[in-house]
Amino acid sequence: QQQVKQSPQSLIVQKGGIPIINCAYENTAFDYFPWYQQFPGKGPALLIAIRPDVSEKKEGRFTISFNKSAKQFSLHIMDSQPGDSATYFCAASKSTSGSRLTFGEGTQLTVNP
Amino acid sequence: NAGVTQTPKFRVLKTGQSMTLLCAQDMNHEYMYWYRQDPGMGLRLIHYSVGEGTTAKGEVPDGYNVSRLKKQNFLLGLESAAPSQTSVYFCAIASGSSGNTIYFGEGSWLTVV
Repeated sequence: QQQVKQSPQSLIVQKGGIPIINCAYENTAFDYFPWYQQFPGKGPALLIAIRPDVSEKKEGRFTISFNKSAKQFSLHIMDSQPGDSATYFCAASKSTSGSRLTFGEGTQLTVNP
Repeated sequence: NAGVTQTPKFRVLKTGQSMTLLCAQDMNHEYMYWYRQDPGMGLRLIHYSVGEGTTAKGEVPDGYNVSRLKKQNFLLGLESAAPSQTSVYFCAIASGSSGNTIYFGEGSWLTVV
């Protein structure tokens, strides 16, 4: 059972575009929602994270939007650059689980020059 | 991938052979995890440990064993490798409860033929 579903599977945008990646979760006990960025041949690295007491969080060009009632959250990348080309994973965990993350399937983003 | 070292990075095994993956950390974190990454499936938790001498099963534990005899090391063992265990394996560490940053190693590529 996939508790965190991510879409789209792949995404291609032009430089300067605003790619949006969406995730939906099932477990209402989840209370921490990070996004990870992974470059080929590397491990995932934390990009940005949000808790359900806020609806939006921005860090530089990256924004998470969170809709608790719909059990959905999304990642927006403003002014995307070719260097943002990577695989992005959403994830979720609950306070009682010792930081155990449940990941979405991943989105392969390509930003063309 | 600061502070998390995985060995080996690449390995080819024959069906039925055994091997051990080593994860070593230098950040003195309590929590350690083993994930596997497969195309289109994100990262799935195999086993984890919340401290020296403790281990627990994750989402996909079958066919794997783990040990955490020292705080800084977390070993993942395959007793009798199967082609279905061909994957990229990531070790991760965290300092404690949900919301703390999880740091991933650079991965170990395992092929079982």
